[in-house]
Amino acid sequence: QVQLQQWGAGLLKPSETLSLTCAVYGGSFSGYYWTWIRQPPGKGLEWIGEINHSGSTNYNPSLKSRVTMSGDTSKNQLSLKLSSVTAADTAVYYCARGRYCSTTSCNTYWYFDLWGRGTLVTVSS
Amino acid sequence: DIQMTQSPSSLSASVGDRVTITCRASQSISEYLNWYQQKPGEAPKLLIYAASNLQSGVPSRFSGSGFGTDFTLTISSLQPEDFATYCCQQSYTTPWTFGQGTKVEIK
Repeated sequence: QVQLQQWGAGLLKPSETLSLTCAVYGGSFSGYYWTWIRQPPGKGLEWIGEINHSGSTNYNPSLKSRVTMSGDTSKNQLSLKLSSVTAADTAVYYCARGRYCSTTSCNTYWYFDLWGRGTLVTVSS
Repeated sequence: DIQMTQSPSSLSASVGDRVTITCRASQSISEYLNWYQQKPGEAPKLLIYAASNLQSGVPSRFSGSGFGTDFTLTISSLQPEDFATYCCQQSYTTPWTFGQGTKVEIK
């Protein structure tokens, strides 16, 4: 059974860099886009970006200037870095499995079907 | 970006009630619409994909419908474990976007 385990620093000061890692256990890292999604307290979900096993990334334009995602296929891990954080970046951050893509195309219908447990990141001085 | 707007933002219902939640997209997304359930302190759980397809293991009292810009999630007979927040998500184009959520509370 595929599981996602995530970890990272939970308390940051303004202007610091958020750093989270998510490990994929019990399943293939290849073929899928692995995603970071966040949820500010009491608010809705926001897609941050995605990365596949080849290192191809797509970022939300609203965060693109501050986001870097990377992957380590040898460890089945993906990482998120978000620079210059402010209080507005306080949220629960989730990693999740997204769309499946072969070398030529992606599944027509896809969804986020596996999620990590979430990491609360608080930005406070 | 495609904006996803849900209504209502919250509702109160009793066990056994039929509940309907609406999600509207700011432009046509065909049937590229997913529904999730989220309980406090937990990650979202996929309920419905491609507007009307029930995810494996999800009770049949959940159903989805719609096409284009207007979509509906229906719970035919609300159970105690269904009190949660429900949100929609479009899988039509990046950036993938979510509705703000509908909280279903006990009346």
